[in-house]
Amino acid sequence: DVKVTQSSRYLVKRTGEKVFLECVQDMDHENMFWYRQDPGLGLRLIYFSYDVKMKEKGDIPEGYSVSREKKERFSLILESASTNQTSMYLCASRAGTPVIVYTFGSGTRLTVV
Amino acid sequence: TQLLEQSPQFLSIQEGENLTVYCNSSSVFSSLQWYRQEPGEGPVLLVTVVTGGEVKKLKRLTFQFGDARKDSSLHITAAQPGDTGLYLCAGFFNSGGSNYKLTFGKGTLLTVNP
Repeated sequence: DVKVTQSSRYLVKRTGEKVFLECVQDMDHENMFWYRQDPGLGLRLIYFSYDVKMKEKGDIPEGYSVSREKKERFSLILESASTNQTSMYLCASRAGTPVIVYTFGSGTRLTVV
Repeated sequence: TQLLEQSPQFLSIQEGENLTVYCNSSSVFSSLQWYRQEPGEGPVLLVTVVTGGEVKKLKRLTFQFGDARKDSSLHITAAQPGDTGLYLCAGFFNSGGSNYKLTFGKGTLLTVNP
């Protein structure tokens, strides 16, 4: 089975800090995604990557950047954390054949104080 | 951004009852998926439906895709406490946009009480 591992389950950071959220997948998938999940708003796509060093903005990229230096690793960066970035962050990896399947990590609950 | 409307947003029922969750859009889905998310975990794929009118069954769960591919439903028969979780529908849209993205509904939070 595909495994998507997020490095931290819980993080508490201060306003203005630079925050790195790491995600690793073990199935050689080309496509990886970062979502944030908030009550009443569902899952919203922040960024995605379809290949090493390639990235594309999702629906809510403001305040975030990403890095994909290796195929298995996709990092989400909060350049200067703010309290409105307190959320659950979910990383996903995608298989395309024979059926499109997104496999999610367990999530990182980030609190910015 | 395409929108998926899920209803109801919250559902609390007793063990043994039946329930139906709905997912609707004004746009046509190229395919639709249902996920279940348990507390503290990421969503897990339950099913993918592709063809209009398609019905798929997964034990006590029945998934239906509307004929026009704009809506879907999830029916659970004789719900059990283990069915408790957040049920999410997610759709790929054939509007010409990238096929790499999946748009999620806001979810239905189901609680099955023993």
